[in-house]
Parts: sequence; C-alpha cells; structure tokens
Amino acid sequence: AQRVTQPEKLLSVFKGAPVELKCNYSYSGSPELFWYVQYSRQRLQLLLRHISRESIKGFTADLNKGETSFHLKKPFAQEEDSAMYYCALIGGAQKLVFGQGTRLTINP
Amino acid sequence: EAGVAQSPRYKIIEKRQSVAFWCNPISGHATLYWYQQILGQGPKLLIQFQNNGVVDDSQLPKDRFSAERLKGVDSTLKIQPAKLEDSAVYLCASSRGRAGNTIYFGEGSWLTVV
Repeated sequence: AQRVTQPEKLLSVFKGAPVELKCNYSYSGSPELFWYVQYSRQRLQLLLRHISRESIKGFTADLNKGETSFHLKKPFAQEEDSAMYYCALIGGAQKLVFGQGTRLTINP
Repeated sequence: EAGVAQSPRYKIIEKRQSVAFWCNPISGHATLYWYQQILGQGPKLLIQFQNNGVVDDSQLPKDRFSAERLKGVDSTLKIQPAKLEDSAVYLCASSRGRAGNTIYFGEGSWLTVV
C-alpha cells in the first residue's frame, strides 16, 4: 500500500530562518514523489517533483530511499512562503496519494 | 490556458438530499480526477478517468457516489443520498496523460451537509 506521512500539522518559523517540512512515505517499489502547495485563496498547485531535481522558489527536496523520506527545505524563509504544503506519491497504481499536509507560517 | 473549471463553488444541502458537481478540465487533458478533501486532511482520490474510461474508483463509495465523463471531456460527480460525513471540498483535476505528469487542480466545490 502507498502511504504518505507528514508528521507536523503546523510549522512556524521566523523570516530568514531555515525551513524543513518533513515527509515520509511507505511504498515497496520506486515511487515518484512530489510537493504540492496551496497559498491562501489559491488552487492547489505543483511545487516540485523529485525527478526534476530542481529548485523552485528556493525550495529543494531530496529523495532518501534508505530513510523513505522526501523532506522539503529552504535555507531562508520568506513571508510569501506561508501556505499549506502537501507531500504526494505515485506508486504502482498510478494514482497520486497525498499526505495530511503541513501548514507553514512565516513570522515577520 | 484556461484552468480547470468547477461548479458550483458552494453548496449547502440537507442530509439525504442529492447534489451534483460539474468539472471542465483543461483542453486536451486526457486524465481527469475527482478528489475529496475533508477539513484538516489531505485530498483523497475518489475516481480517475482516462478519456471516458475509469482507471481507478477503488475509494469511491459506490452506494451513494457516482461519476461520469461523457465524451471524454466534462465530468459530473453525484452524491445521492448525502450524509453528514460527505461535508468536504470536492476537487477536480486534470493532466495530459498519466498521473506522473503535472496535475492541475480546480478551485474546488465546497459541500456542507446539514
């Protein structure tokens, strides 16, 4: 079975501080992993995917197969990063499974 | 390009009544998804269409929920009869092909069952 766990429902950091949103997954094969973001009053949208190995809005995420994790990181948080973040996985069933989400608040 | 369109945006119904949601995906997108998002939880896939065929409906409560995608474009999701626990946001999404491609979401249809 495919499962995504985001252990923190809420995360609050100060502007300029590093941010790390945790994501752990359960899947026996090779998954595709994603981070989706939902800003206030906006649609849910793709932030980044692990196969792209790119940095989007200063965020990066590395797939660690040994720890089955895909944590999202940013070295210096900005106020506009405040949003709801969802980690998601595609496994063998070709369906996108989401975690519970983490609400990130950046304090000025 | 125009995004995924959904209607109605908000709906309040009494339990045991019926409701229908409509979705128009991005033009040219073969795959259409319906997700249910209960407050405080992540989106849960209800049904996934590839053109007008069902790819996955394993989490669709088929005794009360139904969905169709006629002609492989627009889709409707119906709930009959509604229960209190159906209160949620119903998200429609689409992608060009398989789920690994970028999935684009609509704004959602907010359902409250009283």
